[in-house]
Amino acid sequence: TAGITQAPTSQILAAGRSMTLRCTQDMRHNAMYWYRQDLGLGLRLIHYSNTAGTTGKGEVPDGYSVSRANTDDFPLTLASAVPSQTSVYFCASSDPHRGTDTQYFGPGTRLTVL
Amino acid sequence: KQEVTQIPAALSVPEGENLVLNCSFTDSAIYNLQWFRQDPGKGLTSLLLIQSSQREQTSGRLNASLDKSSGRSTLYIAASQPGDSATYLCAVTATGNQFYFGTGTSLTVIP
Repeated sequence: TAGITQAPTSQILAAGRSMTLRCTQDMRHNAMYWYRQDLGLGLRLIHYSNTAGTTGKGEVPDGYSVSRANTDDFPLTLASAVPSQTSVYFCASSDPHRGTDTQYFGPGTRLTVL
Repeated sequence: KQEVTQIPAALSVPEGENLVLNCSFTDSAIYNLQWFRQDPGKGLTSLLLIQSSQREQTSGRLNASLDKSSGRSTLYIAASQPGDSATYLCAVTATGNQFYFGTGTSLTVIP
């Protein structure tokens, strides 16, 4: 199994443009998460989804939106990118309902907003 | 808001040494605590998960302990190897879906 895949691997984006970061998991996990990782700040939760059809806000949700149309996919959209959104973005999944509290992470997307 | 601190930020040890990484958190009402490893340019890999009712977990040369009342966890690595070189992060959650991470300890094991 692939686990969690993210696309693209990296991207340079002009400020003001929109972009969707893709995340797909093949483990049938109910819960999925988006984090950003910044030097000196660690990982911070942007949005999460406990199950398909539901989403919730994390610690730093402003400027980002998510959707969860099905179990496998959890895209993150930046509607109008700003330079402060330059970061490495990680998608993760877990399945607390099946006793799998452990989070599994994707390889990350490195985004630069100019 | 939960604050997670990891000290030291960086650690360098000779191969074969036993070492301890520290993690502290401000709110003791946690659901679980996890330790992760992150290699440069890569995602995170879960090492150990401790539920709030547990005191420790072991996996191979790794042992993680949890003292919820004092807001502390330690990750013990026995007989360190150069392949253990990575950044180690701890994360806590009170709800099972809101996770708070420390900024990590960067470990270098010198051959």
